[in-house]
Parts: sequence; C-alpha cells; structure tokens
Amino acid sequence: DAGVIQSPRHEVTEMGQEVTLRCKPISGHNSLFWYRQTMMRGLELLIYFNNNVPIDDSGMPEDRFSAKMPNASFSTLKIQPSEPRDSAVYFCASSLGGAGGNVLTFGAGSRLTVL
Amino acid sequence: AQSVTQLDSQVPVFEEAPVELRCNYSSSVSVYLFWYVQYPNQGLQLLLKYLSGSTLVKGINGFEAEFNKSQTSFHLRKPSVHISDTAEYFCAVPTFSGGYNKLIFGAGTRLAVHP
Repeated sequence: DAGVIQSPRHEVTEMGQEVTLRCKPISGHNSLFWYRQTMMRGLELLIYFNNNVPIDDSGMPEDRFSAKMPNASFSTLKIQPSEPRDSAVYFCASSLGGAGGNVLTFGAGSRLTVL
Repeated sequence: AQSVTQLDSQVPVFEEAPVELRCNYSSSVSVYLFWYVQYPNQGLQLLLKYLSGSTLVKGINGFEAEFNKSQTSFHLRKPSVHISDTAEYFCAVPTFSGGYNKLIFGAGTRLAVHP
C-alpha cells in the first residue's frame, strides 16, 4: 500500500481564495482524521469520519472550513475564503477502527501558505 | 478527559549519548499510550505503543518507553542516539469524548542530535 496520500504537498494562495486539500486513506481503513499543525497550537484535530460519516467536527475552526468524505477512498478539506491565519500544515490520517488502541497512519501533509 | 504533558520542548544531545524524552499523562482507570515521530517535512509515524502487558515497550530505531502507572509517566529513551534521530517526538493518548475516542497529542519535543 502506498500509505495515506495527500495533495497538494504545498499550496500558496492569496487571502480570499478557495483552497481544497485532498486525501486518499489506506484501503480498508474505516476511520479518517484531519489534523492541523501550527507552531502556536501544535496538532489539533479538526474532524473525524467513521465509515464516511462525520462523527465530530467540533475542531473545525469556523464556517469557512468544511470537509467531506464522499466515499471510502477520498476526503477533502475546503477553506473558503482563506485567511493568513489559516497558514499551517494540514495532515490527514487513517486507521482501522477508531483512535482507541489503534495506530493512525499519517500522510505527508499539505503545507498551506495564505498571503 | 485524558491529556498529556511533554515536559521539554527541546532536547539537544551529542551523537552516541543517551537521551530521555519525558511524557506525563493524566490518570485514568485504563490507558493506552503512544509515541509518534515526525522527521523534517514528513508526516507522523508510530514509534511505539503501550496497550497492556509488559510495562517496557520496545519500538523502532532502538527506542523504548516505560509505562509507570504510579508516576503517570511514559518516558521515551534511547541508549545511544544518531544524527538521523533528529526529529520531533510526540506523546499521545486517546481520550473518550462524545461517544468515541480521539487521539490527543502533546506539544512535542524537538530532539536535536549534534555531531
């Protein structure tokens, strides 16, 4: 398996533009997580999907952020409109089962810079 | 809810010296614990985990950690570090909230190995 695949690896955009980050989880994994990593706040869980259904989106910062998982092999995280404070590295992770005793496999991340 | 505290934000060490990265967790009836490593410009990957059984857990790249229930600690150790161990290390614990588990990460410890 190629692991968790994220695209793009780097995105530079201007304030107000729409940003879409993509994730392909490991085949057979039924849980998917989106995390955001910044120097100030560390790793924050944004949203958790189980069997393609959003279970908890309480970590999504505001209405400008939205996430979808239309099928078991694809998820998107969208920011519209983007702001400079959204600059961060966004990670997607997947696991077989939830985040109890199971191992999360992370993608390489998408580094977003909003000017 | 569970939480983890990583006591050192940065640990500088010379090559071939021993190292200990400290992690304390909030107490609970039962606990799973994880250490993840993030190499520069990469996603996180599992270093080792404690679910039950032996309190000394061995992981990849010669790292080990000891679960100490009385001190609520899960410190990571390596007897002799290499330059290639330079990375950020995260302690993590699942917390049960809202009907499901989510993985909570510590703030991270940046290990810098110098020649």
